[in-house]
Amino acid sequence: DAGVIQSPRHEVTEMGQEVTLRCKPISGHDYLFWYRQTMMRGLELLIYFNNNVPIDDSGMPEDRFSAKMPNASFSTLKIQPSEPRDSAVYFCASRPGTGANSPLHFGNGTRLTVT
Amino acid sequence: AQSVTQPDIHITVSEGASLELRCNYSYGATPYLFWYVQSPGQGLQLLLKYFSGDTLVQGIKGFEAEFKRSQSSFNLRKPSVHWSDAAEYFCAVGGGYQKVTFGTGTKLQVIP
Repeated sequence: DAGVIQSPRHEVTEMGQEVTLRCKPISGHDYLFWYRQTMMRGLELLIYFNNNVPIDDSGMPEDRFSAKMPNASFSTLKIQPSEPRDSAVYFCASRPGTGANSPLHFGNGTRLTVT
Repeated sequence: AQSVTQPDIHITVSEGASLELRCNYSYGATPYLFWYVQSPGQGLQLLLKYFSGDTLVQGIKGFEAEFKRSQSSFNLRKPSVHWSDAAEYFCAVGGGYQKVTFGTGTKLQVIP
């Protein structure tokens, strides 16, 4: 299995531009999570999906952030417009639906820099 | 609300020395507990997990952790640290069909 795949690995953009981060979860995993990691705030859960349906988006910081999961093998996190304070590493993770203690499988992250 | 506290931001140990990373949690029921490791530029990798049974759990790379309900702790240990163990370590609580909450991490530096 290729694991969770995120793209791009690095993204540099100017303030005000739209940014789209992509994630392909592990096949067969029913849950997909988007996390943001910063020095100041550590790992924050932004949103998670179960069977492509958003379950909890209370961690999404503002309306500028949106996430979709159009099918079981693809999810996007979009920031529009982007701001410098959005600079962080964004991780996608997935886990199977069976087994209440199944761990998360993380991608290698997208490092976003907004100038 | 569930929460995790890792009181040590940074720890330095000599290669070959023993290691203990502290983790305290707050959770309303029997917790699911995890330790993850993150190497630079990488995502998080599971070291070990606990949800029931023996309170001493073994993980990969020679790590173990002990669940102590009375102290709300789940400390990570390794008897002899290798230079390749230098990384950031995260304790997490939750799981099941609920979201997982991570601690702020402990950076481990290993000196020769």
